[in-house]
Amino acid sequence: ETGVTQSPTHLIKTRGQQVTLRCSSQSGHNTVSWYQQALGQGPQFIFQYYREEENGRGNFPPRFSGLQFPNYSSELNVNALELDDSALYLCASSADRPPYEQYFGPGTRLTVT
Amino acid sequence: QKEVEQDPGPLSVPEGAIVSLNCTYSNSAFQYFMWYRQYSRKGPELLMYTYSSGNKEDGRFTAQVDKSSKYISLFIRDSQPSDSATYLCAMSGGSYIPTFGRGTSLIVHP
Repeated sequence: ETGVTQSPTHLIKTRGQQVTLRCSSQSGHNTVSWYQQALGQGPQFIFQYYREEENGRGNFPPRFSGLQFPNYSSELNVNALELDDSALYLCASSADRPPYEQYFGPGTRLTVT
Repeated sequence: QKEVEQDPGPLSVPEGAIVSLNCTYSNSAFQYFMWYRQYSRKGPELLMYTYSSGNKEDGRFTAQVDKSSKYISLFIRDSQPSDSATYLCAMSGGSYIPTFGRGTSLIVHP
């Protein structure tokens, strides 16, 4: 069974730029969620995708957007990067029965300068 | 007030000690309770989950939920240096989307 993978591992961007992060879900999982984890904080829910449709969204502005593909892999796009967007971005895929516990990837560390 | 409160620590204990990690919450709709372990610069790893009140044991780990007090705990017996990590509590209700605490940093020294 293949776990959740994310790419890239880390990257550095300049304020105002755009970034795309990628995630492959665990085998058999059709739900993917994205989280932002600032240093010293717990993960904050950005949004969730189920079968290519957005299925819930946290308190993040529209410049955070996403996609899910037919093979259940996913992308997180962030436009107009701000310094506060510097964080660890985590992707998680969910089991197919309650409580739909989430299995996380290793994360992408984004630094905005 | 945050929905989920967790003391960030650090909590430093000697090898072999019993560790108690705790979270409180305010949302009475939460019914699923989870504990994750996160090593430095890694993604969180699911340790245990429980439904509603009660205890659940898995090896050296025991999770307790007291819904009447809105209080959950994770106990680690015979702690090892390899247990040194940040422990995140998380809980969810009908949406099944978890709300996380900020994590407690645990240091187990030899």
